Amino acid sequence: KQEVTQIPAALSVPEGENLVLNCSFTDSAIYNLQWFRQDPGKGLTSLLLIQSSQREQTSGRLNASLDKSSGRSTLYIAASQPGDSATYLCAEYQGAQKLVFGQGTRLTINP
Amino acid sequence: GAVVSQHPSWVICKSGTSVKIECRSLDFQATTMFWYRQFPKQSLMLMATSNEGSKATYEQGVEKDKFLINHASLTLSTLTVTSAHPEDSSFYICSATWTGDYGYTFGSGTRLTVV
Repeated sequence: KQEVTQIPAALSVPEGENLVLNCSFTDSAIYNLQWFRQDPGKGLTSLLLIQSSQREQTSGRLNASLDKSSGRSTLYIAASQPGDSATYLCAEYQGAQKLVFGQGTRLTINP
Repeated sequence: GAVVSQHPSWVICKSGTSVKIECRSLDFQATTMFWYRQFPKQSLMLMATSNEGSKATYEQGVEKDKFLINHASLTLSTLTVTSAHPEDSSFYICSATWTGDYGYTFGSGTRLTVV
């Protein structure tokens, strides 16, 4: 059974800091991995999708990496802002389409 | 592009009644749609996968007679919670994927409260 684990469960940092969110998975034959953001009471917003042949993806202040050999992915957020406060979820593709989600990291950026 | 619209955003219903939630892909044809359930401060759990024109595939432990899924067209899937009970109160989210690329788009979710 595929499992996805996110550490830490919650993180609080001052505004302006760079930070890293961690995601680990048990399936070394990972297909794709996707990072999402969820605001309270809202749906999910896709941040970055890393396909199995890729090592990282970047979008603005966000950079996601994928290391299949170690079963890890990281989401790096540069120069954090209060608006970055949300829950961040990583999800592994089980086969071509089905997603298995981690429990998420609740991020709070303090002004 | 790739927008998924989900309605209603919240609903309160009486115990024993049925509630229908709609999920529409606005600018693409969704070959597959997924329905998730999320309890407070927990992650998303896949309930079922639906493909247009065929029966939905339910995950283990999900009652297919209670959570009816219809995917009658490439742009619309519905989830009906039948004979709702307070324990069905949760946040339900749909997502859709499309051919030609990999990636998911999620709806904004529906907060269901059964009283």
